[in-house]
Amino acid sequence: AQTVTQSQPEMSVQEAETVTLSCTYDTSESDYYLFWYKQPPSRQMILVIRQEAYKQQNATENRFSVNFQKAAKSFSLKISDSQLGDAAMYFCAYRRPGNTPLVFGKGTRLSVIA
Amino acid sequence: DARVTQTPRDKVTEMGQEVTMRCQPILGHNTVFWYRQTMMQGLELLAYFRNRAPLDDSGMPKDRFSAEMPDATLATLKIQPSEPRDSAVYFCASGSGLHQPQHFGDGTRLSIL
Repeated sequence: AQTVTQSQPEMSVQEAETVTLSCTYDTSESDYYLFWYKQPPSRQMILVIRQEAYKQQNATENRFSVNFQKAAKSFSLKISDSQLGDAAMYFCAYRRPGNTPLVFGKGTRLSVIA
Repeated sequence: DARVTQTPRDKVTEMGQEVTMRCQPILGHNTVFWYRQTMMQGLELLAYFRNRAPLDDSGMPKDRFSAEMPDATLATLKIQPSEPRDSAVYFCASGSGLHQPQHFGDGTRLSIL
């Protein structure tokens, strides 16, 4: 079974600084998808960024980028120019090909210090 | 923007009562997922449907939980009888296509006293 591990239960960053959240996963599949979701106190699950395993290029979305290391099964999220609104729980998730269920990590709580 | 709609947003009830949570997936999405979020277990899959047919409900306690899709616009998750350990946030998500991400509803926060 696939597993997702987020080794940092909590992280903090100064406003305008950069922070990296770590995620590792275990799978025997060669094709899959990886996601980062943000959950603010409102409890919405907001998709931040996704990566297809067959793509070597790291995904970017504005201030958010990933470092995808397929051989190491690592998928970290970098948030640049951190803003107060970035404070939330961040979940790393894995999905097999097709419209299949997500497997989530336990999450990292990010605090942004003004 | 199209959204997944979940009702109720919050539910507080006493142990032993029946609880029904509802989900309206995004129109055209053929796959519906139910996840449960707790502090201890995190986010875990309860069940999911494709084209209204159940594909996997191995995450659900079978004796008290049931999930159905009466039609393509409605998915339900029922707990009968409810227990305090069922207290959690229950998310519904829907999706379609091989490469598209799932879209989540805002969840139902369930508190069983």
